[in-house]
Amino acid sequence: QSVLTQPPSVSGAPGQRVTISCTGSSSNIGARFDVHWYQQLPGTAPKLLIYGDNNRPSGVPDRFSGSTSGTSASLAITGLQPEDEADYYCQSYDTSLSGSVVFGGGTKLTVL
Amino acid sequence: QVILQESGPGLVKPSETLSLTCVVSGFPITSGYYWGWIRQPPGKGLEWIGSMSHGGTTYHNPSLKSRVTTSVDTSKNQFSLNLSSVTAADMAVYYCARHGPRTAWGLRWLQISYDYWGQGTLVTVSS
Repeated sequence: QSVLTQPPSVSGAPGQRVTISCTGSSSNIGARFDVHWYQQLPGTAPKLLIYGDNNRPSGVPDRFSGSTSGTSASLAITGLQPEDEADYYCQSYDTSLSGSVVFGGGTKLTVL
Repeated sequence: QVILQESGPGLVKPSETLSLTCVVSGFPITSGYYWGWIRQPPGKGLEWIGSMSHGGTTYHNPSLKSRVTTSVDTSKNQFSLNLSSVTAADMAVYYCARHGPRTAWGLRWLQISYDYWGQGTLVTVSS
């Protein structure tokens, strides 16, 4: 059971907007620790998509954006494209048990 | 260009020790950034194993802490992971990665994302 909770799957048609939620608690997202997002294509390593809540590394399209509110965070993808079909993971920091890097369980995005 | 490459046995027997090395190319491991290990069981999500500085400061996942040893070899620009007493539950793809692009200090490094990842190496636990 992951410390951060994500929906197992989401889907959308090309061109649409989808959001992926990441729900935490007062010991991680709710404590205002940064949330990061990764995209993992099949058979490859995760790729950093968003860091520090809503910052994109060089090369990541501005179709991807992040936000946080209370104990939750969200990744939004606009103008959905077939190549966006992948697994997405959120990451944050948790203060329980002496402090840990924590990940969400992952969300499979299907482009219909 | 920062490149990380994991290496080590792809098969480990139950109760033995899993040993992996991550060679870093294109970036000095002594630059002040932290480095980490993350694993992913087949078909499952990501799990943090531990993070370390080149100076020897280490932080480990409490659920694995008693079995994990990490180290850095600055002369070879690489860092390593040892996981003892492995079971079938330790079968996973193991990734090494760099904390970045932001920087931090001490325990705050655990709040930083991972900006560069190795390709991952699958470790199977079986007799």
